[in-house]
Amino acid sequence: DQQVKQNSPSLSVQEGRISILNCDYTNSMFDYFLWYKKYPAEGPTFLISISSIKDKNEDGRFTVFLNKSAKHLSLHIVPSQPGDSAVYFCAASKTGGSQGNLIFGKGTKLSVKP
Amino acid sequence: DGGITQSPKYLFRKEGQNVTLSCEQNLNHDAMYWYRQDPGQGLRLIYYSQIVNDFQKGDIAEGYSVSREKKESFPLTVTSAQKNPTAFYLCASCQSSYNSPLHFGNGTRLTVT
Repeated sequence: DQQVKQNSPSLSVQEGRISILNCDYTNSMFDYFLWYKKYPAEGPTFLISISSIKDKNEDGRFTVFLNKSAKHLSLHIVPSQPGDSAVYFCAASKTGGSQGNLIFGKGTKLSVKP
Repeated sequence: DGGITQSPKYLFRKEGQNVTLSCEQNLNHDAMYWYRQDPGQGLRLIYYSQIVNDFQKGDIAEGYSVSREKKESFPLTVTSAQKNPTAFYLCASCQSSYNSPLHFGNGTRLTVT
């Protein structure tokens, strides 16, 4: 049973527009959520995170929104750039768990076209 | 430059052979992790270690073994008991403090034929 779901395997966006990547989760015990970015043949790199006590966290072009009642989070990238083309993984951790015990979604491949 | 080094990048083995994947970090992180990625799948946790000489099974530990004799090193052995060993293996580390970001290595692609 998938606890973290990324229902869109891929997303294509024009350069300069907004990219919105979505993630749903089922376990109400999750209290910390993260987004990782992964290029081919490389390890994922941490992008941005949000605690369950917040509903928004912003870092430059990247903003993560959390809707706890809907068990949904989203990553907004504005403006999108060709270098943002990568696979984006949503991940969640449970209360009391160390950050490495993450549950990952299957990823969404973002393509930003010039 | 601090980071996590996984070697080799590509590894080929014949079925029935054990193989050990190397992971070294110089970030002085307490905790280390092994994940596996299959095509179209998320990362799944194999084993983790939060302190030297101690480790715990993750979600898919069967057919794998690890050791943590040094803080910097966390090798993963894929044994012949692992039914589907061909995959992309990722090592990661972080500080033990809650919500400390995970740092990943660049992975080892293992192919077993």
